[in-house]
Amino acid sequence: AQSVAQPEDQVNVAEGNPLTVKCTYSVSGNPYLFWYVQYPNRGLQFLLKYITGDNLVKGSYGFEAEFNKSQTSFHLKKPSALVSDSALYFCAVPLNQAGTALIFGKGTTLSVSS
Amino acid sequence: DSGVTQTPKHLITATGQRVTLRCSPRSGDLSVYWYQQSLDQGLQFLIQYYNGEERAKGNILERFSAQQFPDLHSELNLSSLELGDSALYFCASSEQGLAKNIQYFGAGTRLSVL
Repeated sequence: AQSVAQPEDQVNVAEGNPLTVKCTYSVSGNPYLFWYVQYPNRGLQFLLKYITGDNLVKGSYGFEAEFNKSQTSFHLKKPSALVSDSALYFCAVPLNQAGTALIFGKGTTLSVSS
Repeated sequence: DSGVTQTPKHLITATGQRVTLRCSPRSGDLSVYWYQQSLDQGLQFLIQYYNGEERAKGNILERFSAQQFPDLHSELNLSSLELGDSALYFCASSEQGLAKNIQYFGAGTRLSVL
């Protein structure tokens, strides 16, 4: 079965510092991997996805993610954190190779302090 | 704005009652998904429709049902409500319902069962 794991419930960083939010995956076949962000009282917003190709994927709001097949990881990164990046971040994989729904990790709360 | 519209934003009802949540997908999107977000269960997939037909089921209770209409809007019906059904219900849509498609989420309906 497809699954993702986010090992950290919370990540705390200071504004201007680099940030990393971790995600590991378990899939059969070629992985499709997604990152979404949820701001308070809002729906989820798409950040970026990995389908194939370059291992470094660039997304919205200056975020990027590094796909590592040997470590089965897809960590979300940003070189310089902003206070406005504080939110709940979800890693996700499709339910199966035929497509359909997304299976989400439990989420990681990112808190950026000024 | 994702282009996905959910109504109502908030719903307060009593145990044993029945409610209907409505979702209008982005223009042109054929696939609609329903998710439930709660503190204890996280973000869980309920059901997917594609062009009016049910495509996949997740952790959807028998008391819950959904449908997608010819104009592609969808409704999620929750009946015999229990306290544990209190949660945030999200609708998402995607163009073709493929694994690599981005899902766009609505702002959600917050259901409170008292």
